[in-house]
Amino acid sequence: AQSVTQLDSHVSVSEGTPVLLRCNYSSSYSPSLFWYVQHPNKGLQLLLKYTSAATLVKGINGFEAEFKKSETSFHLTKPSAHMSDAAEYFCVVSSYSGGYQKVTFGTGTKLQVIP
Amino acid sequence: NAGVTQTPKFQVLKTGQSMTLQCAQDMNHNSMYWYRQDPGMGLRLIYYSASEGTTDKGEVPNGYNVSRLNKREFSLRLESAAPSQTSVYFCASSGQGGFAEAFFGQGTRLTVV
Repeated sequence: AQSVTQLDSHVSVSEGTPVLLRCNYSSSYSPSLFWYVQHPNKGLQLLLKYTSAATLVKGINGFEAEFKKSETSFHLTKPSAHMSDAAEYFCVVSSYSGGYQKVTFGTGTKLQVIP
Repeated sequence: NAGVTQTPKFQVLKTGQSMTLQCAQDMNHNSMYWYRQDPGMGLRLIYYSASEGTTDKGEVPNGYNVSRLNKREFSLRLESAAPSQTSVYFCASSGQGGFAEAFFGQGTRLTVV
């Protein structure tokens, strides 16, 4: 079985303050983990991915995520929020077994950035 | 490199009408997917295709059919549209193996009235 839980449906931060978006996962196999961002009325864009090479993953636009196997977490962080970061963020787990790739999305976290 | 292309971008249907959403990818990916996105529910898998000639049901397949026409194209058909199918539909593709990310199209916003 495979699942993803995004612990907050909405997060609100002030511009210039840190961002933390939380994600926990479960997977029977060695998973790959991703964060995608979706700006209003747009498609999904890959922010970063974990593929077991390093537990701290750096992505685009200053975002990072740390894979913690003991906590089954993959939280997304950014030191200083910008107005342009306001969007919806999806945590995704992917595993490959039985000849196909299974991809499971979290329900999303909407990030609001207050000027 | 266009990536994943979906058509149309917007569509309004009357209840009972049919339509086909088209998707094409130019990355030589084996796997292709159709998702629907509804507020507060994330993306839910409708159908997927692990390779040309194969299709399998996902989490919410009822009311939909798919065709994997060739390696590039994967279409989604609504035979008799219902208001519950009002949603944003995304097509995606990915390479084989455990480390491939999915590439997404820009989405089709469908309204059924």
